[in-house]
Amino acid sequence: GQNIDQPTEMTATEGAIVQINCTYQTSGFNGLFWYQQHAGEAPTFLSYNVLDGLEEKGRFSSFLSRSKGYSYLLLKELQMKDSASYLCAAVNQAGTALIFGKGTTLSVSS
Amino acid sequence: SQTIHQWPATLVQPVGSPLSLECTVEGTSNPNLYWYRQAAGRGLQLLFYSVGIGQISSEVPQNLSASRPQDRQFILSSKKLLLSDSGFYLCAWRVEGVLLVYGYTFGSGTRLTVV
Repeated sequence: GQNIDQPTEMTATEGAIVQINCTYQTSGFNGLFWYQQHAGEAPTFLSYNVLDGLEEKGRFSSFLSRSKGYSYLLLKELQMKDSASYLCAAVNQAGTALIFGKGTTLSVSS
Repeated sequence: SQTIHQWPATLVQPVGSPLSLECTVEGTSNPNLYWYRQAAGRGLQLLFYSVGIGQISSEVPQNLSASRPQDRQFILSSKKLLLSDSGFYLCAWRVEGVLLVYGYTFGSGTRLTVV
């Protein structure tokens, strides 16, 4: 089976850096995704990691350690518009679908 | 260009009524298609996925069903809605990229309220 855990809520201030952690347990590993979802909207793709290490995309970076079953999303220079839910997702064992964690709601205050 | 369409955007249905949600994709052929549901305060739950016409895999037993009558069309249905069917329904497709890297793109979603 698969299990994906991430914190329920986090708060931070504008300009700060925040790290959202995700641990996963899967029968096989086929990649890990991070999505951003604003309230009432569909999720949008942020990053995809299949190899160990850090992937950087502007203010957002994602890290993966396959041996530890661990990933994190790093958001730098936080802006108010970064207030959203951040979803960690792993590809299922068959490689046919994404299984999501419950999401971390990030609130950015001024 | 590749796009995904989902409708309606919102829906209010009485308990016991039928349901039909439609999703179509453009600009690709033989896509992998998915239906997810997000209940209030909960994560995205995979309901069905399809790798081709007439091929449906069900992830969660419930009173919903899915069909894929055409290559780029995916339909979610119910004969009799329950209150617990309320939620945000999202269609997604798997976009193939280079070097076996791929992503999942979501439609805009349907917010269903069963009353």
